[in-house]
Amino acid sequence: DTEVTQTPKHLVMGMTNKKSLKCEQHMGHRAMYWYKQKAKKPPELMFVYSYEKLSINESVPSRFSPECPNSSLLNLHLHALQPEDSALYLCASSQEIRQRANYGYTFGSGTRLTVV
Amino acid sequence: AQSVTQLDSQVPVFEEAPVELRCNYSSSVSVYLFWYVQYPNQGLQLLLKYLSGSTLVKGINGFEAEFNKSQTSFHLRKPSVHISDTAEYFCAVSDRSGGRRALTFGSGTRLQVQP
Repeated sequence: DTEVTQTPKHLVMGMTNKKSLKCEQHMGHRAMYWYKQKAKKPPELMFVYSYEKLSINESVPSRFSPECPNSSLLNLHLHALQPEDSALYLCASSQEIRQRANYGYTFGSGTRLTVV
Repeated sequence: AQSVTQLDSQVPVFEEAPVELRCNYSSSVSVYLFWYVQYPNQGLQLLLKYLSGSTLVKGINGFEAEFNKSQTSFHLRKPSVHISDTAEYFCAVSDRSGGRRALTFGSGTRLQVQP
């Protein structure tokens, strides 16, 4: 299995809703990432998990809450979002081998989120 | 800190013509370099990467890139493009120091292949 699977592919939610985005990989990668991509813009890093621990939080608002239940799963919990949070949310993973990182980032196809 | 500059926001080209998409980077440390492609309404797919060794890197779909340390560039080339190559192309950099272990992307170049 050489894929990162993201679900759902599309999500429409109201500003008072609570929803979750899911990401799964079975490549044995120990680093996982959440990126946000607005239309016609490059992806922007949100969170990095390394060995199931949160390593980097790029000053993301608390209405976005990441969770890494195990080495294969990464969730992004959403609550009280704003319309400007509408974007493509991309999950990625990469493998780290001992002291030498193999920088093979694999991206999922993303969840297109619309906040109404 | 590092940054990536893709000077061309759009590159129109005719089918079967050669193309070069430019990428320059800035970093105070040694870096790894990547090119990703994004087709409409899809995620990012790795085209190729430079980690070490030969400065000419070959990737998928007939693309190649050359790492030039003195010019801090990593330009992407293809000798003959197809309509199906129409997509957004992102250059990205990751530092080797192990501190952040995450990608920094350029602003992207839209390749438009015309018949």
